[in-house]
Amino acid sequence: KAGVTQTPRYLIKTRGQQVTLSCSPISGHRSVSWYQQTPGQGLQFLFEYFSETQRNKGNFPGRFSGRQFSNSRSEMNVSTLELGDSALYLCASSLVSTGGKGNTEAFFGQGTRLTVV
Amino acid sequence: SQQGEEDPQALSIQEGENATMNCSYKTSINNLQWYRQNSGRGLVHLILIRSNEREKHSGRLRVTLDTSKKSSSLLITASRAADTASYFCATEYYGQNFVFGPGTRLSVLP
Repeated sequence: KAGVTQTPRYLIKTRGQQVTLSCSPISGHRSVSWYQQTPGQGLQFLFEYFSETQRNKGNFPGRFSGRQFSNSRSEMNVSTLELGDSALYLCASSLVSTGGKGNTEAFFGQGTRLTVV
Repeated sequence: SQQGEEDPQALSIQEGENATMNCSYKTSINNLQWYRQNSGRGLVHLILIRSNEREKHSGRLRVTLDTSKKSSSLLITASRAADTASYFCATEYYGQNFVFGPGTRLSVLP
């Protein structure tokens, strides 16, 4: 079974530009969550999509947005990039939405390393 | 508020020794999960322990959960150089998404 695939693996962008990252979850998984990882802040939750609907959103500015397609693939967009957006962006795939009444194992992709210069 | 807090922040041991990492959290949880991350790559899921479980094993890994103390520990036995990585705990609770701690950096020296 193929794992979680994130593309691209590396990106270098200039301040003010926008960027789109992609995540293909494990086949059959309907939930995709996005996390930002930086040395200073650690792993921080951005948002979760389940069945094309945003289920939850973390404490990030509106420049960070996402969507999910009918095949469960998800994209994350960051507009008007700032230097502080440089980070490893990770997506996690799970069968059901996290934070439900059950127990959800989440599987992560290799991440996209974004560098803003 | 941050849930998982790993302790220690960094750990250095010799190959063959056991490594123990701890995680504390603040509120009720459905489960706690441990992940490994190698040098800025993705997170690898290691083990999930439910709130009604006290101990789980997977190969050389042993995880315990003490809900009364709101803490968990991850024991890696007979460590290998390949175990060198950062280890994170993540808690899941109804109505919340996973919350990760800052991680423990483990170095296994040959």
